[in-house]
Amino acid sequence: DTAVSQTPKYLVTQMGNDKSIKCEQNLGHDTMYWYKQDSKKFLKIMFSYNNKELIINETVPNRFSPKSPDKAHLNLHINSLELGDSAVYFCASSKATHTEAFFGQGTRLTVV
Amino acid sequence: DAKTTQPNSMESNEEEPVHLPCNHSTISGTDYIHWYRQLPSQGPEYVIHGLTSNVNNRMASLAIAEDRKSSTLILHRATLRDAAVYYCILRDTGTASKLTFGTGTRLQVTL
Repeated sequence: DTAVSQTPKYLVTQMGNDKSIKCEQNLGHDTMYWYKQDSKKFLKIMFSYNNKELIINETVPNRFSPKSPDKAHLNLHINSLELGDSAVYFCASSKATHTEAFFGQGTRLTVV
Repeated sequence: DAKTTQPNSMESNEEEPVHLPCNHSTISGTDYIHWYRQLPSQGPEYVIHGLTSNVNNRMASLAIAEDRKSSTLILHRATLRDAAVYYCILRDTGTASKLTFGTGTRLQVTL
């Protein structure tokens, strides 16, 4: 069983579209994250949720909206996609806010 | 966030031990030292973490300097599967604690 799973693995879409990436963890963790890895391979945190509450919101355009329907899921919705949104997006979870994090395999988003 | 400094790249022969250094001179008393690695086309993977004492697990060992201003990740016998980017990260225990990734060390392992 995959601990942190993201869908889809690949997403190719046109500029201006709205898309969602889903993330689910079966580890019983309380904290979940979204990270973005750009073409230069820099990994940056975007959001963090603890017990369904947003606790970290880095400087991310408000076109990006995370949604946590329950502790096991953290989805990422992106409106009006731009070319610069092309990246690999990683979901992660941890038992608590400061313990080791488990990452998904990533979603490669390509905006054309 | 306190900053870490790592070499951009290192090379090792297979079956040899590898020592990956990390400097963190501005570490605070509540910062844990975490190591993650990212294999090609995969998500980051937790390796090990520690506070003051040296730590061992099935993947690696972490040696922490007495003043905590530096640490070394030790892979006891490198294999080709250990080729990855290794990140040394300081993480506090606060509610809004986050993993701030730097550029890491790219480890190449050769036969």
